Amino acid sequence: DQQVKQNSPSLSVQEGRISILNCDYTNSMFDYFLWYKKYPAEGPTFLISISSIKDKNEDGRFTVFLNKSAKHLSLHIVPSQPGDSAVYFCAASARKSTFGDGTTLTVKP
Amino acid sequence: DAGVIQSPRHEVTEMGQEVTLRCKPISGHNSLFWYRQTMMRGLELLIYFNNNVPIDDSGMPEDRFSAKMPNASFSTLKIQPSEPRDSAVYFCASSYGQGRTNEKLFFGSGTQLSVL
Repeated sequence: DQQVKQNSPSLSVQEGRISILNCDYTNSMFDYFLWYKKYPAEGPTFLISISSIKDKNEDGRFTVFLNKSAKHLSLHIVPSQPGDSAVYFCAASARKSTFGDGTTLTVKP
Repeated sequence: DAGVIQSPRHEVTEMGQEVTLRCKPISGHNSLFWYRQTMMRGLELLIYFNNNVPIDDSGMPEDRFSAKMPNASFSTLKIQPSEPRDSAVYFCASSYGQGRTNEKLFFGSGTQLSVL
């Protein structure tokens, strides 16, 4: 039973446009959500997070939206840059973090 | 800040051999996590420690796997005997806090394990 799902294995966008990465979860006990970015041959690095008491959190070009009723969250990157090309993991926490399978983002110059 | 340090970066071994993976967490962090990444199962939590004490080892696949944290600056994950299905990237991560949900994790670069 996969509790955190990232249904799009890959996403390709043009530089300067918006990237939207999606994540769905099933466990209503999750109360904190995080996004991590991973480059090849490196470990994941923390990007942005959101508490379940909020519906939006913004940090520069990155915004995370949470829809609790739909058990859905999304990461928006605006504007997208070639350096954003990486694998993005969604994680949901209820004492410990459960990760999705990741979405590979490619930003084309 | 040296970050989380894992060794070795790559390990190739034969089935049946013992494998030991090592991790040095960020100084001052008191929670340590071992994750495994595979194509089939993604990133899965194996075990985590808080203040050197194992808190949750429910993700450890079987008795062949064991983890220790003898002090705040060192942890090992041991596989004995190793099997080809153990081939994966093993990540160590650390955080500061009580293992609560809002703690962001700092990951090491991982150990690529290949069991032939």
